[in-house]
Amino acid sequence: DTGVSQDPRHKITKRGQNVTFRCDPISEHNRLYWYRQTLGQGPEFLTYFQNEAQLEKSRLLSDRFSAERPKGSFSTLEIQRTEQGDSAMYLCASSLVGSGGHHETQYFGPGTRLLVL
Amino acid sequence: GQQLNQSPQSMFIQEGEDVSMNCTSSSIFNTWLWYKQEPGEGPVLLIALYKAGELTSNGRLTAQFGITRKDSFLNISASIPSDVGIYFCAGPRLNYGGSQGNLIFGKGTKLSVKP
Repeated sequence: DTGVSQDPRHKITKRGQNVTFRCDPISEHNRLYWYRQTLGQGPEFLTYFQNEAQLEKSRLLSDRFSAERPKGSFSTLEIQRTEQGDSAMYLCASSLVGSGGHHETQYFGPGTRLLVL
Repeated sequence: GQQLNQSPQSMFIQEGEDVSMNCTSSSIFNTWLWYKQEPGEGPVLLIALYKAGELTSNGRLTAQFGITRKDSFLNISASIPSDVGIYFCAGPRLNYGGSQGNLIFGKGTKLSVKP
């Protein structure tokens, strides 16, 4: 399967613990996005990378959240000192953006569902 | 800021019926996207619309990009049980340079199909 993959698919943690999620984008996609989705809502943007550079962060991304994309391939999203309000589905998406007027299409992974007890 | 309003919030229909849902915004979008999400999975792109007035089909699905660029609709003909899921409209937020950025999603229309 050559789609976007995320690991783990499910994570249960206790409040105050740190968690880390991984996203492997579609091979050669240069953009990688993180979104968060809570029950009854659409996905909400958190941050995105163009290659290894983190170009934008949402106000939703508090200082307890950090994302990296070393070498411009896979990405990790870490949440420190988790809170119950962090419980959500964390979605990763990737896309290929070029300079030739190509329309960007974001392809989503299956998500990591986080439950903070 | 840019927001997307979807209606209806949910639909309960009989297998074989046609379905129509729409998405509106107070601001202009240059691209309209329709995604479907099934329980426990990420959204899957169904149809992408890039031009005002554009009407695009994907099997039993048809979507249109409104002339005002502030709305879009999605129709599903002859629904089947596997159409069950949440349908989201989305559009890219315009960055300062005019390039497309992260996606803004509506809250979704939940479709239930009774066999």
